[in-house]
Amino acid sequence: QSVLTQPPSASGTPGQRVTISCSGSSSNVGSVSVNWYQHLPGTAPKLLIYSSNQRPSGVPDRFSGSKSGTSASLAISGLQSEDEADYYCASWDDSLNGPVFGGGTKLTVL
Amino acid sequence: EVQLVESGGGLVQPGRSLRLSCAASGFNFYDYAMHWVRQVPGKGPQWVSGINWNGGSIGYADSVKGRFIISRDNAENSLYLQMNSLRSEDTALYYCVKDESTEWELRKGYLYYGMDVWGQGTTVTVSS
Repeated sequence: QSVLTQPPSASGTPGQRVTISCSGSSSNVGSVSVNWYQHLPGTAPKLLIYSSNQRPSGVPDRFSGSKSGTSASLAISGLQSEDEADYYCASWDDSLNGPVFGGGTKLTVL
Repeated sequence: EVQLVESGGGLVQPGRSLRLSCAASGFNFYDYAMHWVRQVPGKGPQWVSGINWNGGSIGYADSVKGRFIISRDNAENSLYLQMNSLRSEDTALYYCVKDESTEWELRKGYLYYGMDVWGQGTTVTVSS
């Protein structure tokens, strides 16, 4: 059971905008920033968003992150077929004194 | 290019030991904290252990505390995970992951940047 809660699946058609949620608590998302990772099968997970809403260099601006209270969201606009992947949120948990992750959301581009 | 390459995974019997290695390149290894994170197929990642830049601060998940030992060799740009008393529930893909900070642990008053670069992982299977 993952500490952070994500929907197991999401889908959209090319060009659409989709959002993926990440729900936590006051000991993690509510008080600490959130990172988002994209994971394509057989490859290393890739950092998409850090500090809740910052993009590393090289990540398209189609990807954006936000956080409010104990929830965070990843939005992908102008959906493309290559966006089909698993997406994970992560944060730090003050009670557990360690990094925590979501269970992942499998994004399907229809 | 920042690169992390894990090795040492394999099939091992319950109760036995295994040592994972991670070779780092493309960045100043001694400047950053490092982690081991594992993932069972179909599940979310699980943090296993973290070590700060000079090995002076180490942390473990409760599930591995007392059985696993993390270490690093900054001269060799390498990270290690000694896994003892292995159990079937330790079966997973193990990732070597770089932190964006010098410390694995979030300190009071500091912003959290977390993990930024992951390796492709090495598979550990614990079964008789």
